[in-house]
Amino acid sequence: KAGVTQTPRYLIKTRGQQVTLSCSPISGHRSVSWYQQTPGQGLQFLFEYFSETQRNKGNFPGRFSGRQFSNSRSEMNVSTLELGDSALYLCASSLGRSIYEQYFGPGTRLTVT
Amino acid sequence: AQTVTQSQPEMSVQEAETVTLSCTYDTSESDYYLFWYKQPPSRQMILVIRQEAYKQQNATENRFSVNFQKAAKSFSLKISDSQLGDAAMYFCAYRTPEYGNKLVFGAGTILRVKS
Repeated sequence: KAGVTQTPRYLIKTRGQQVTLSCSPISGHRSVSWYQQTPGQGLQFLFEYFSETQRNKGNFPGRFSGRQFSNSRSEMNVSTLELGDSALYLCASSLGRSIYEQYFGPGTRLTVT
Repeated sequence: AQTVTQSQPEMSVQEAETVTLSCTYDTSESDYYLFWYKQPPSRQMILVIRQEAYKQQNATENRFSVNFQKAAKSFSLKISDSQLGDAAMYFCAYRTPEYGNKLVFGAGTILRVKS
């Protein structure tokens, strides 16, 4: 089976712009979670989607949003980018919730200038 | 709130030797899972080992094993016969079914393997 894919892998944006990142889970997986990784804050949970519904949300401002499509692919959007949004954004997919393994994608490296 | 603490920012081990990475966590939940993830320079997060809190037996995966001390809320990772490919950042993580698939990560430990 193909692994979790994330596109794009690298992105450079300007402060104030918006960005959309995509995550395609492993075939058959219905849950997608997103994480932000920065040197200062480490790995922080953004949100989790399961069956097109947001099930859980981390402590991030409303500029961070996401959605999941019927094929389980997920997108996250960051509006009005700030310098502090520069990070590695990781998504993880899972068959279901709570007891299943999560498999991570390679990440999208976002740089905000 | 659940927290995960890794007190060793960096560790070094000689090839073929054994190293132990420490992790402590804080939770009031009785049902939870603990994980060790490896993140090599490629940044791909790889699951190394997982432990269910209700299991008393420590998990083992080839050269990797854990020492799970539930009362002490301690979850250390032992890597035996260390290899150059083990060099990576290691993260301890916690998850409870109450919060679905949300993982709470520690700050990580950089493991260097010397040849």
